Amino acid sequence: AQSVTQPDARVTVSEGASLQLRCKYSYSGTPYLFWYVQYPRQGLQLLLKYYSGDPVVQGVNGFEAEFIKSNSSFHLRKASVHWSDSAVYFCAVSLPNTNKVVFGTGTRLQVLP
Amino acid sequence: ETAVFQTPNYHVTQVGNEVSFNCKQTLGHDTMYWYKQDSKKLLKIMFSYNNKQLIVNETVPRRFSPQSSDKAHLNLRIKSVEPEDSAVYLCASSWEGNTLYFGAGTRLSVL
Repeated sequence: AQSVTQPDARVTVSEGASLQLRCKYSYSGTPYLFWYVQYPRQGLQLLLKYYSGDPVVQGVNGFEAEFIKSNSSFHLRKASVHWSDSAVYFCAVSLPNTNKVVFGTGTRLQVLP
Repeated sequence: ETAVFQTPNYHVTQVGNEVSFNCKQTLGHDTMYWYKQDSKKLLKIMFSYNNKQLIVNETVPRRFSPQSSDKAHLNLRIKSVEPEDSAVYLCASSWEGNTLYFGAGTRLSVL
């Protein structure tokens, strides 16, 4: 069965620092990969997605992620975080041509001013 | 811009009552979903509904039931709420199972 692992429940960084949030998935093929962000009292919003092609995908607000097939990973990165990036980040996997989406457990990011 | 609308935002009720939550999407998507998000932010799929085909997560208690009048609406009914039903219920939609678009959620508190 497919699964998504986000090993870090909480990450704290200082404003202006670089960021990496980790995500690993378990699936025998190449799934569709997503990162979503959830701000307080809101639903989830798409940050970026990978379907195929260039393994480095750019998202909104300066976020990017790199698909590494050999490592089954899809880590999220940002060169310089802002206090407004404080939120919960979810990695998700979708099987092509299905309606099934599996979410990781989320990583709560706190950016210190 | 919000394109998945959920009502109400909050609902407080007592054990044993029936509640109903509404969801509407204006994106023309073919699939809608209900997720339950607990206090630890864990997301659990409850239902997906595509072209009148309902896919139910087998772990969902039978007191939960989805209701759809057309592909733009998917409501959630809980027949007799229990304390463990306290959570945020998120509605989402997608086109052919790809990117999910979420509503802001309905927070349920069961006293």
